Formats: sequence, C-alpha cells, structure tokens
Amino acid sequence: ETGVTQTPRHLVMGMTNKKSLKCEQHLGHNAMYWYKQSAKKPLELMFVYSLEERVENNSVPSRFSPECPNSSHLFLHLHTLQPEDSALYLCASSQNLAGGHNEQFFGPGTRLTVL
Amino acid sequence: GEDVEQSLFLSVREGDSSVINCTYTDSSSTYLYWYKQEPGAGLQLLTYIFSNMDMKQDQRLTVLLNKKDKHLSLRIADTQTGDSAIYFCAESTGGYQKVTFGTGTKLQVIP
Repeated sequence: ETGVTQTPRHLVMGMTNKKSLKCEQHLGHNAMYWYKQSAKKPLELMFVYSLEERVENNSVPSRFSPECPNSSHLFLHLHTLQPEDSALYLCASSQNLAGGHNEQFFGPGTRLTVL
Repeated sequence: GEDVEQSLFLSVREGDSSVINCTYTDSSSTYLYWYKQEPGAGLQLLTYIFSNMDMKQDQRLTVLLNKKDKHLSLRIADTQTGDSAIYFCAESTGGYQKVTFGTGTKLQVIP
C-alpha cells in the first residue's frame, strides 16, 4: 500500500450504532488530520495530530472521538450520530506541522450515511 | 476567522481555457493552494503559490494572485475531459500550517 488509505470506503449506520473509521499513512509523516466534506460547504478541519498528540479539536461534537495510537494510524470513533453527520470523511497527513509549505496528502475518504 | 470563497460550478467546452476564481479574507495568508479532487478520490495538491509572488505557471496551469484584492485564480489552458473534477482553493498563514479550504468548484468539461 502506498500513500494514505482509508477503510471502510462506504459506511451506513443507524443513529444508535457505534463504528470506527480507520486511516493509515505509508509516507513516514508525523502529522495527521481528519476533515469533513459536505456538499456546498467548505472542507471542515476536525482534528489534527502531531506525533500522536492532538493539537487541534475544532469544536467537534463529542460523538466524534479521534484516536492516534502511533504516527501511522488514525481512527475516528463514531457513536450516536445524527443524520446531518452524513458526509465524506477525509484523512490527510503531512510531514510535520512546521512552518513553511507543508503539503497535505489525502486519502480517498469514507462516505458515511447516518440513517 | 479565515474564510475562503469559490463559486460552486463551472462548465467549459473541451479545448477552451477554464478560469476558477477564489477570494480569501485573511491578509496574513502566506501560502495559497489549489487542490484537485477526482471522483471517488481524495484531494491532490495541484500547485501552490507563495504570497510574495503574483504569478506561477506550470505547464497548462497558471496561478494568478492579487494580494491587494485577496483574489486567487487558476487558469487551465486547453481544458481536457480528464480535467473534470472539483478544484479546491486553500490558504495557510503558516505557523503550524492550519489550512483553510473553500467549498470547491466543480469543473465540468463538455466534449
């Protein structure tokens, strides 16, 4: 595997379910991100991790719970979601969080539908 | 907070030039980016420009930056059907590299 991978690619869940999204980067990067992509809205940054430490939590509801066990893996645990949480969830990584140009590499996303 | 705005949709004929526009609000933006998202895929960096530049050209792509008006544009020459995608404008003020994205502009190329 190369680049940034995400599983599952599609997920349908009920409001009472608990599920997890997984992201893995094979680039040797130290920073990882979760974004939410909804139609006609700007891409929303949710969480940022640097060297497994959370450095940003962008006012995200507690029903979304991130976990970064090591610099290659990032999870997003979901519980008691709402229909408006249906979106494409994108994971990204970058070399680090240093200043200057720092390209982010994105995974293909998980298309989440909450019924 | 920072805001990045783009139109949602653009349609062009194959072979024509496409111009995708973007405005941003943060005057301290250091880097401005164009990302491309093809169907079923994540975003991929196309090109970026540093704020002290006003133009950057890379093959069929030309980026123009008007820092005074906080306006960024991406011109694609000789647009092909393979250019059909969503194009995201983004800006960063540096620091720890928080990047603010726009809504994306869906480019439709008509054969």
